[in-house]
Amino acid sequence: DIQMTQSPSSLSASVGDRVTITCRASQSISRYLIWYQQKPGKAPKYLIYGASNLPSGVPSRFSGSGSGTDFTLTISSLQPEDFATYYCQQGYSTPFTFGPGTKVDIK
Amino acid sequence: QVQLQESGPGLVKSSETLSLTCTVSGGSISSHYWNWFRQPPGKGLEWIAYIDNSGTTKYNPSLKSRVTISSDTSKNHFSLKLTSVTAADTAVYYCARGDPRNNYFDPWGQGTLVTVSS
Repeated sequence: DIQMTQSPSSLSASVGDRVTITCRASQSISRYLIWYQQKPGKAPKYLIYGASNLPSGVPSRFSGSGSGTDFTLTISSLQPEDFATYYCQQGYSTPFTFGPGTKVDIK
Repeated sequence: QVQLQESGPGLVKSSETLSLTCTVSGGSISSHYWNWFRQPPGKGLEWIAYIDNSGTTKYNPSLKSRVTISSDTSKNHFSLKLTSVTAADTAVYYCARGDPRNNYFDPWGQGTLVTVSS
């Protein structure tokens, strides 16, 4: 199985801050990397696919980069609705696996 | 747009079988592939299995011996069975559609909490 790690596990930030979350795969996954946002009591929502592609409707303050084993999710200017937990997921091979999550909360 | 809704018992006794159904509306399960996930309280996400539009199934090896996924195209739903459950199987169970090109999951059902009781 491909193991996914994320850092940090949590962070505190203020509205307007630039936030960066990293994700690392235990082997190369090319660009088969997806980022999700999950709010308490809700299902995950995908934010980025193919490492850097934004689905329609996702605000442009979200961006993703990376390939191979190292990936980054950046929120350019944190908004109140962005306080949530963020997960990365590898879509390279089954079993599909997720990172442990990064909780972003209010400073 | 496509919507998914999980249904099934919220309480299952230890050693028994957990059975859930995901009903798809606004689209057909004859395209894409269809997945089950779970998330124990306060923990991360685990992919359980998928079934595609040809009936091909794939399972997480960690659960493979206990899991069966199936679909009923006439009812536009797919189902999960997990046998010999223990307290470790207590989780919110989600269903979601898979994108066959990029393997992202969208949309998701709202999730259903299944508690295993002794």
